[in-house]
Amino acid sequence: TQLLEQSPQFLSIQEGENLTVYCNSSSVFSSLQWYRQEPGEGPVLLVTVVTGGEVKKLKRLTFQFGDARKDSSLHITAAQPGDTGLYLCAGAGNDMRFGAGTRLTVKP
Amino acid sequence: NAGVTQTPKFQVLKTGQSMTLQCAQDMNHEYMSWYRQDPGMGLRLIHYSVGAGITDQGEVPNGYNVSRSTTEDFPLRLLSAAPSQTSVYFCASAVGGVYNEQFFGPGTRLTVL
Repeated sequence: TQLLEQSPQFLSIQEGENLTVYCNSSSVFSSLQWYRQEPGEGPVLLVTVVTGGEVKKLKRLTFQFGDARKDSSLHITAAQPGDTGLYLCAGAGNDMRFGAGTRLTVKP
Repeated sequence: NAGVTQTPKFQVLKTGQSMTLQCAQDMNHEYMSWYRQDPGMGLRLIHYSVGAGITDQGEVPNGYNVSRSTTEDFPLRLLSAAPSQTSVYFCASAVGGVYNEQFFGPGTRLTVL
């Protein structure tokens, strides 16, 4: 059983569409990170959220941390083929635990 | 800076063989960790270290040993390889601790026959 549940597991959309992916847990985290991973490479950090209710924007990506610091969402506006990849959330407690990820494909 | 480097990139072992996966970082990061990534399972923490001489177990430590004699190096040893250890292994490092950005190596793809 994953400590962090990510949904959906797979998502395939057309260029220009909007999407939201979710990261949920029954545990409270001190902070939560979102990473993107491309095939054959290690994950790369997109953002860290620390405060309950926090919203951070990174160009077309909007990240939100739940008020109770148990869940988070990632919203992408006007998706582009370059957004294709595996999106992973990770929660920090005594160590760092990752969700299984959402594999996003954006078709041109 | 080379960042986090891992060797080898690919490895095939027979059941029962032992080997060491190498990980080095040149960023003077205190925190280092090892993960394995399997389809549908995401990244699972094997072992981690908060500094030289200090290691601790993660979520899936069985069958793996680590040591941290220097800040730069954090090798992962497979004692007696099993097919269930077929996976992609990632090493990561972070300044300070787990709350900060983790920098990942390129991974080692291990197959155990």
